[in-house]
Amino acid sequence: EVQMVESGGGLVKPGESLRLSCAASGFTFSSYSMKWVRQAPGKGLEWVSSISTDSSFINYADSVKGRFTISRDNAKNSLYLQMNSLRAEDTAVYFCARYSGVAKSDYWGQGILVTVSS
Amino acid sequence: QTVVTQEPSLTVSPGGTVTLTCASSTGAVTSGYYPNWFQQKPGQAPRPLIYSTSNKHSWTPARFSGSLLGGKAALTLSGVQPEDEAEYHCLLYYGGTQVFGGGTKLTVL
Repeated sequence: EVQMVESGGGLVKPGESLRLSCAASGFTFSSYSMKWVRQAPGKGLEWVSSISTDSSFINYADSVKGRFTISRDNAKNSLYLQMNSLRAEDTAVYFCARYSGVAKSDYWGQGILVTVSS
Repeated sequence: QTVVTQEPSLTVSPGGTVTLTCASSTGAVTSGYYPNWFQQKPGQAPRPLIYSTSNKHSWTPARFSGSLLGGKAALTLSGVQPEDEAEYHCLLYYGGTQVFGGGTKLTVL
């Protein structure tokens, strides 16, 4: 069974850092591109970042470029999101999702809440 | 900044048909934007329904269909069921980036 479980969320102060993890199981992680999507409380979805299977292609939304870094460890079946210089507007539930084809995501994690507040 | 626009809310009667649309601030939506549609219920992760305009996932009920309509991406629900009440999100791809619409709250009443 395909599963993705996010962890590492919590409450941090503005300007602080946090690292999210997404542990994948039930499939060959190294064969799939991945992405992070977030959803602020009561708001719509926002794409954050995507990474290819071998980390050679990485993209970021303008809202996080220069502050967030996506990475993966195929040996550990894990996806990461390093979030620096956090702002109140980064408060959201963060989901990891798997691409199963061009512009096609299929499985999503349940999400992890990140709250940025003083 | 690219903006993707959806109807904020729609209401449909059980058994009825409703079409949700997804427009791009850059102009007409084409298949090259690989329109995706997701369903999300409160407290749950988004569930993918449609990819590349009109392709269904294995779990997508037959009553859901995707298309291009009048320069927009469209999601049509035919024979709406009470369990279809949810938020629906569209997603368009712009080269290396992707933008979600604001979501449509569908009420079945």
